[in-house]
Amino acid sequence: QLQLQESGPGLVKPSETLSLTCTVSGDSITSSNYYWGWIRQPPGKGLEWIGSIYYSGSTYYNPSLKSRVTISLDTSKNQFSLKLKSVTAADTAVYFCARGKRVTISGVITGLEAWFDPWGQGTLVTVSS
Amino acid sequence: EIVMTQSPLSLPVTPGEPASISCRSSQSLVDRNGYKYLNWYLQKPGQSPQLLIYLGSSRASGVPARFSGSGSGTDFTLKISRVEPEDVGLYYCMQGLQAPWTFGQGTKVDIK
Repeated sequence: QLQLQESGPGLVKPSETLSLTCTVSGDSITSSNYYWGWIRQPPGKGLEWIGSIYYSGSTYYNPSLKSRVTISLDTSKNQFSLKLKSVTAADTAVYFCARGKRVTISGVITGLEAWFDPWGQGTLVTVSS
Repeated sequence: EIVMTQSPLSLPVTPGEPASISCRSSQSLVDRNGYKYLNWYLQKPGQSPQLLIYLGSSRASGVPARFSGSGSGTDFTLKISRVEPEDVGLYYCMQGLQAPWTFGQGTKVDIK
């Protein structure tokens, strides 16, 4: 059964870099059917997609965060990671990692991810001095 | 970016009764192949979102048949035929047609 688990510091100081890792078990992150993404949810608020990575290392990010975000992967550990630099209190949120499924049309895998499933349990990161 | 708008934002329900949630997108979510890039998630209290419906109307694995998705173009609906107590939580729609992927504001479903 596929499982994703986020890990990393729960407290980050303003202006520093937030770093999280997602460990995937039960599937390989080198599958061509999937992307691997990060989504966040500020306390009491809705969901915001941060960015995603393909097993080839290709990445794409939400333009609202693009200048501060880097997503990378480590295929040897079946993990992918998120770095968000220059954080402020507005970056306080529960951060989820998730698998993004690509659509197959007439037997051909096409496009980017179309939905996320499953998600990790999430980890709360608070930005505070 | 595609803006997703859900209604209502709060939905008190009675167990055994039907319920529905609407999701509207700022542009069509149907591609040239006819695929509808609209998904529904349920986030139960204290949990991560779980996929209910993908591509407009396909139920995810393990999702009860009382959940159904419909719609096309810019208007989509999630229906629960008979609400169960375990269906309480936040429901989100999400578009998967064009990055950045975006979500609705969420609809809080609770028991009357």
